[in-house]
Amino acid sequence: NAGVMQNPRHLVRRRGQEARLRCSPMKGHSHVYWYRQLPEEGLKFMVYLQKENIIDESGMPKERFSAEFPKEGPSILRIQQVVRGDSAAYFCASSPVLGTGYEQYFGPGTRLTVT
Amino acid sequence: DAKTTQPNSMESNEEEPVHLPCNHSTISGTDYIHWYRQLPSQGPEYVIHGLTSNVNNRMASLAIAEDRKSSTLILHRATLRDAAVYYCIRKTGANNLFFGTGTRLTVIP
Repeated sequence: NAGVMQNPRHLVRRRGQEARLRCSPMKGHSHVYWYRQLPEEGLKFMVYLQKENIIDESGMPKERFSAEFPKEGPSILRIQQVVRGDSAAYFCASSPVLGTGYEQYFGPGTRLTVT
Repeated sequence: DAKTTQPNSMESNEEEPVHLPCNHSTISGTDYIHWYRQLPSQGPEYVIHGLTSNVNNRMASLAIAEDRKSSTLILHRATLRDAAVYYCIRKTGANNLFFGTGTRLTVIP
């Protein structure tokens, strides 16, 4: 059973360009979470999605950031008009069931560098 | 946020047991305690979780205090591969995990 997959692993964008980060959850998992880790900091929650629905986006910046998890295909985190402050590692996690007693499985992350 | 308190760093000699403490004095009755670790340049990895009773798995043991205000992650024999940042997370009804600053474990050969 393949783990959570993220691509690309490394992404370089110039200021003002768009960044698209993809996440394929573990097989059978319908809950996807995105986290951001700035250099030398802990992970910060961004958004939680189920298939075709955004459930909690309380950690997502109000502008330029969006996320989706379509019925078919991977979850996408989209950052428009990137700025240097968006440089970070973006991690996706998935879980099979919702609840406090269930763990999340993380992907290897996408490291975004904005030049 | 669901606050926990951990030491910033700890050291251990290789092959010796490691006890990583965590305080969660405001924990409520339905909150689980989860532990994750993050090796350098990797995504977080689930280690163990528990509610009230002590828990064991192939990676570690989790000892939860009777009043549930603190817990200890126990690595029985530290290896170099265990060098990582360990996060103690109080999982409330919220969907997401709140990562604090964690404990950076250094394993000395």
